[in-house]
Amino acid sequence: GDSVTQTEGPVTVSESESLIINCTYSATSIAYPNLFWYVRYPGEGLQLLLKVITAGQKGSSRGFEATYNKETTSFHLQKASVQESDSAVYYCALGEGNTGKLIFGLGTTLQVQP
Amino acid sequence: AQTIHQWPVAEIKAVGSPLSLGCTIKGKSSPNLYWYWQATGGTLQQLFYSITVGQVESVVQLNLSASRPKDDQFILSTEKLLLSHSGFYLCAWSPGENTLYFGAGTRLSVL
Repeated sequence: GDSVTQTEGPVTVSESESLIINCTYSATSIAYPNLFWYVRYPGEGLQLLLKVITAGQKGSSRGFEATYNKETTSFHLQKASVQESDSAVYYCALGEGNTGKLIFGLGTTLQVQP
Repeated sequence: AQTIHQWPVAEIKAVGSPLSLGCTIKGKSSPNLYWYWQATGGTLQQLFYSITVGQVESVVQLNLSASRPKDDQFILSTEKLLLSHSGFYLCAWSPGENTLYFGAGTRLSVL
């Protein structure tokens, strides 16, 4: 079946440092899955951070970027300079067709130190 | 704007007791609705989905059931809880493609 593997956390970085959270996927049921990053801030629900549906394209939101790389089956999340408010749990996910079924990674807890 | 409300926020229940979790979506007619579940230390997985009132598809068999009694309401339930039902339950909606918008979730502890 389809699967998503992402950086194990917790990941701790200092404010203004750069960040990369790795995400690789295996999609056997669909050739070009949609790829997502979701985020859960402390005390809040799971919310969409960014989405890319076309291989080779880059998505961006709130200073975060991720590029859909079909050759390496990767969708790494990057930010050039993190802030303390970025502390959260980040989930990489792939979408299987149009059934609303998302395959999630285990989540990566990011702690940004002031 | 669409809003999604889940209730209760948290539950502590005994093994063998019944359970009912609810979800309401406002501001969107005929949404696709979903239940997801995350066991402690596990990943989020889809349990059920519904594309219309009265129709629910089961994705994972966990001795749970779901119903959609109204266009804007999705209910998750069981008559007898198991320890393995503990975890975090999320309701979500989509406008018809696979971008999902989640509620705040219900944390369930079965003792």
